[in-house]
Amino acid sequence: GENVEQHPSTLSVQEGDSAVIKCTYSDSASNYFPWYKQELGKRPQLIIDIRSNVGEKKDQRIAVTLNKTAKHFSLHITETQPEDSAVYFCAARNTGTASKLTFGTGTRLQVTL
Amino acid sequence: ETGVTQTPRHLVMGMTNKKSLKCEQHLGHNAMYWYKQSAKKPLELMFVYSLEERVENNSVPSRFSPECPNSSHLFLHLHTLQPEDSALYLCASSQGGADTQYFGPGTRLTVL
Repeated sequence: GENVEQHPSTLSVQEGDSAVIKCTYSDSASNYFPWYKQELGKRPQLIIDIRSNVGEKKDQRIAVTLNKTAKHFSLHITETQPEDSAVYFCAARNTGTASKLTFGTGTRLQVTL
Repeated sequence: ETGVTQTPRHLVMGMTNKKSLKCEQHLGHNAMYWYKQSAKKPLELMFVYSLEERVENNSVPSRFSPECPNSSHLFLHLHTLQPEDSALYLCASSQGGADTQYFGPGTRLTVL
């Protein structure tokens, strides 16, 4: 089955700096890669996603890149703000079953003033 | 925020108790999921229901028993749980084979 690894497990950046979180996946058949943000005590919420036919996608301060050959994808947050502090999860979905997502272990991002 | 709801939000139970978690989605989706979220571990998929039929059961112990009476409701029946089952249990829904899953707020379960 699919295996997703995520790094780093914790990340501290100063407000205004950029943050990058990286994930690798094992199943070359995976074709959908969402990123979820989970604030303390709240539900995971989708912030951006990318499909395997696209190499990069951007939404304001958030961007995701995908390298299918190397089987890795990354989340980039620019001009970080304190409200970006949360745990971020990457996930990969393969084509085999009904939208089965395999999640990474999460990255705790702390944006300091 | 109210598309997927879960009750109760917090539950404390003994190992001999029987309880049920409830999930309801108001998004018109036809696939629903149960996940377990433990500290320092990735979200673990437990069960998947598509069109009210179970399509995935990730080797979950039989002390967890799901039920999906219709496309809007999903239950997780719990009995004779162990302390290591303490976790946040998250429900999610999606539109069939579509990709985006929407999560509920979760039930924080503590097994004494």
